[in-house]
Amino acid sequence: DADVTQTPRNRITKTGKRIMLECSQTKGHDRMYWYRQDPGLGLRLIYYSFDVKDINKGEISDGYSVSRQAQAKFSLSLESAIPNQTALYFCATSDDYSYEQYFGPGTRLTVT
Amino acid sequence: GQNIDQPTEMTATEGAIVQINCTYQTSGFNGLFWYQQHAGEAPTFLSYNVLDGLEEKGRFSSFLSRSKGYSYLLLKELQMKDSASYLCAVRDGSGAGSYQLTFGKGTKLSVIP
Repeated sequence: DADVTQTPRNRITKTGKRIMLECSQTKGHDRMYWYRQDPGLGLRLIYYSFDVKDINKGEISDGYSVSRQAQAKFSLSLESAIPNQTALYFCATSDDYSYEQYFGPGTRLTVT
Repeated sequence: GQNIDQPTEMTATEGAIVQINCTYQTSGFNGLFWYQQHAGEAPTFLSYNVLDGLEEKGRFSSFLSRSKGYSYLLLKELQMKDSASYLCAVRDGSGAGSYQLTFGKGTKLSVIP
């Protein structure tokens, strides 16, 4: 089984709808991250969490919120989706000392 | 903040050697990473440099010069499966941002027969 899983893998939604993307990990890592990837713009950090009680905004947090329900679960919400939030979203994890981040398979989100 | 530059696209021939450059300007530095990403897939870790010099791992090597804000990824004996995007990322070394990665836009490498 994959160490980092994301659900759903693909989602099409309409403008104004609320949507939640979920991430689960079995690596036992404290640190979790949400990124979005757009063609020509690379990976950009939305939010990150160093433990269940610690959540921080990244480079592009406007229009997004997150919830860290447990060490293993980190959810990303779009309260009112807009078309320019169409992108590929990745969750990632790392431990407190490692230099490596482990990425989930991604969620392709389309907002029409 | 971080500013990371790498070429957008490169093409190389199967069996050849290719060097992908990355330059960065940072307010704090705590390591440089290279990730490989095949189209539509998740990035996977390739290498990490925090000290100046060359790190070799099989067909892949990565070099860092902190004084020049420069790194390169060297791929030898290119194979068709090496066709992918290569992402340069810098880790912030300051305070609460530690361990936060800032990614470049990626270099799309096409390997041709």
